[in-house]
Amino acid sequence: EAQVTQNPRYLITVTGKKLTVTCSQNMNHEYMSWYRQDPGLGLRQIYYSMNVEVTDKGDVPEGYKVSRKEKRNFPLILESPSPNQTSLYFCASSLTRRTGTYGYTFGSGTRLTVV
Amino acid sequence: RKEVEQDPGPFNVPEGATVAFNCTYSNSASQSFFWYRQDCRKEPKLLMSVYSSGNEDGRFTAQLNRASQYISLLIRDSKLSDSATYLCVVNQVGGATNKLIFGTGTLLAVQP
Repeated sequence: EAQVTQNPRYLITVTGKKLTVTCSQNMNHEYMSWYRQDPGLGLRQIYYSMNVEVTDKGDVPEGYKVSRKEKRNFPLILESPSPNQTSLYFCASSLTRRTGTYGYTFGSGTRLTVV
Repeated sequence: RKEVEQDPGPFNVPEGATVAFNCTYSNSASQSFFWYRQDCRKEPKLLMSVYSSGNEDGRFTAQLNRASQYISLLIRDSKLSDSATYLCVVNQVGGATNKLIFGTGTLLAVQP
């Protein structure tokens, strides 16, 4: 089944404790992206990657890191999480990096709480 | 001004009703348009693309008005299962990226 898989689905952590949210897609998609979703603010892009070893900042990259060593994986790293990073996170992928023709396929989401 | 704006709702409608959502976008050069559906605490899922000539998928009809820069979604014969948040999505033009800009969504609640 074609899908984007995120783990974990739920995570509660303490301020400053490094964490990684994994994302993997099995559709050979070039483009992958991370979003966070907050009430009233909608989906905001954190980072994106157009292909292996190519990553760039989105609209809200502060406090996050990413890597794209393989085409299928795009982990999101929070080196020192803070409470304002409490949010619902989505990984998304797309077949092509141009035009937005195909839209995105989203993972099931990771609900992160930082206390 | 937000790049994509939607009425947040909620729209409370009875089963069988016809309901319409509108969305406006600020970049006149945008070329790709979508409606996504998001159930509570779930991931957004592509409902339909929006084409210049308008397009229909069963009970759902999408329209694009480039001159006025707005997109609409019409749902006929509403079902309880249509209750969800509907996200208007527009591509960001420029560069080599495939960035989509999401509206904050319109909440639809279909009542029995």
